[in-house]
Amino acid sequence: DIQMTQSPPSLSAFVGDRVTISCRASQSISSYLNWYQQKPGQAPKLLIYAASRLQSGVPSRFSGSGSGTDFTLTITSLQPEDFATYYCQQSYSSPPMHTFGQGTKLEIK
Amino acid sequence: QVQLEQSGAEVKKPGASVKVSCKASGYTFTSYGLSWVRQAPGQGLEWMGWISSYNGNTKYAQKFQGRVTMTRDTSTSTAYMELRSLRFDDTAVYYCARENILRSVYNNYMDVWGKGTTVTVSS
Repeated sequence: DIQMTQSPPSLSAFVGDRVTISCRASQSISSYLNWYQQKPGQAPKLLIYAASRLQSGVPSRFSGSGSGTDFTLTITSLQPEDFATYYCQQSYSSPPMHTFGQGTKLEIK
Repeated sequence: QVQLEQSGAEVKKPGASVKVSCKASGYTFTSYGLSWVRQAPGQGLEWMGWISSYNGNTKYAQKFQGRVTMTRDTSTSTAYMELRSLRFDDTAVYYCARENILRSVYNNYMDVWGKGTTVTVSS
């Protein structure tokens, strides 16, 4: 099974900061990597799919990059509503056999 | 608009079964598969399995093989997830999510989520 490892597990930042969250796969997954945001008491929300494609309606301050085993989610100019937990998820096989990273909690400093 | 409406909260005893429903609206049900994802209190997201809304084919995470069954009813655009032999650590919020696909690279992603169904296993 493909394992996904996110770092850091938690992160503190100021409004206006630029932050990056990393995700590493245990084997190459090409660009089959998606990112989700989850706020307390809410369902996850898709931000980025296929490693770098911005989901419709998601602000352009969110971006994704990477391929193979190493991926990054970048948020430029943090807004108050961005403080949440972020998950990466691989979708290498078809039919789907997904695995999530353990999450990165982004907190306000 | 595109929505997934899930059934209400459940409280079950250990050893019992639970069946959660997920009713789709706002899109052609058979054109997209559905995944089920759960989240235990204070924990991360855990993918349980997938069902093709088109033909009913399923794929389950190994952890749940033999204990979970996913089905769908195309006449009502509803998918179901049944989990049997419930244990205390099955207490979680269970989500259904629509599986979309970027066909140029066959990348699957979950773009629409239900609000979740809380299942509590308690004696």
